[in-house]
Amino acid sequence: AQTVTQSQPEMSVQEAETVTLSCTYDTSENNYYLFWYKQPPSRQMILVIRQEAYKQQNATENRFSVNFQKAAKSFSLKISDSQLGDTAMYFCAFMKVTSYDKVIFGPGTSLSVIP
Amino acid sequence: DSGVTQTPKHLITATGQRVTLRCSPRSGDLSVYWYQQSLDQGLQFLIQYYNGEERAKGNILERFSAQQFPDLHSELNLSSLELGDSALYFCASSVEGFNYGYTFGSGTRLTVV
Repeated sequence: AQTVTQSQPEMSVQEAETVTLSCTYDTSENNYYLFWYKQPPSRQMILVIRQEAYKQQNATENRFSVNFQKAAKSFSLKISDSQLGDTAMYFCAFMKVTSYDKVIFGPGTSLSVIP
Repeated sequence: DSGVTQTPKHLITATGQRVTLRCSPRSGDLSVYWYQQSLDQGLQFLIQYYNGEERAKGNILERFSAQQFPDLHSELNLSSLELGDSALYFCASSVEGFNYGYTFGSGTRLTVV
């Protein structure tokens, strides 16, 4: 069974600074997808970024980028130029390539951006 | 607005009661997923439907059931409610064959008193 671990329950960062959230996962699959979801106080779950395991190039979406290390089964999220609106719970998630499968979420990291 | 609609947004009910949570997926999405989010358990997968048929089952209690109707909306039925069932229940939908991740609804906050 796949598992997703986020070892940092809480983090904080100064506005305009850069922060990295850690995620590791365990799987015997070779092909899969990894995601970062954001859940702000509004509680809406929002997809931040997506990475396909067969792609070596790290995904980037504006101020958000990932460091995908397949051999180490690591998938960290870097947020540059942090903004107050980035304050949220961040969930790392895993999904097998089989499109009929479920997404497995990590326990989350609570990020606070301090003005 | 994500395109996934969940109703009601809040629900308060007594132990032993039964409730129904409703979800309308984003237009064009055939798959519907239900998740339970509680403080101590995180996001737990409950069940998935694809085009009306049950596709995958997670840690869903026997007191819980779900279905997806021909118009693709889905309902999650929770019965014999216990205090521990208090949680945020999310519905998500996806386009089958495209693994771009889920689109989530805004959730239903269930409080059992």
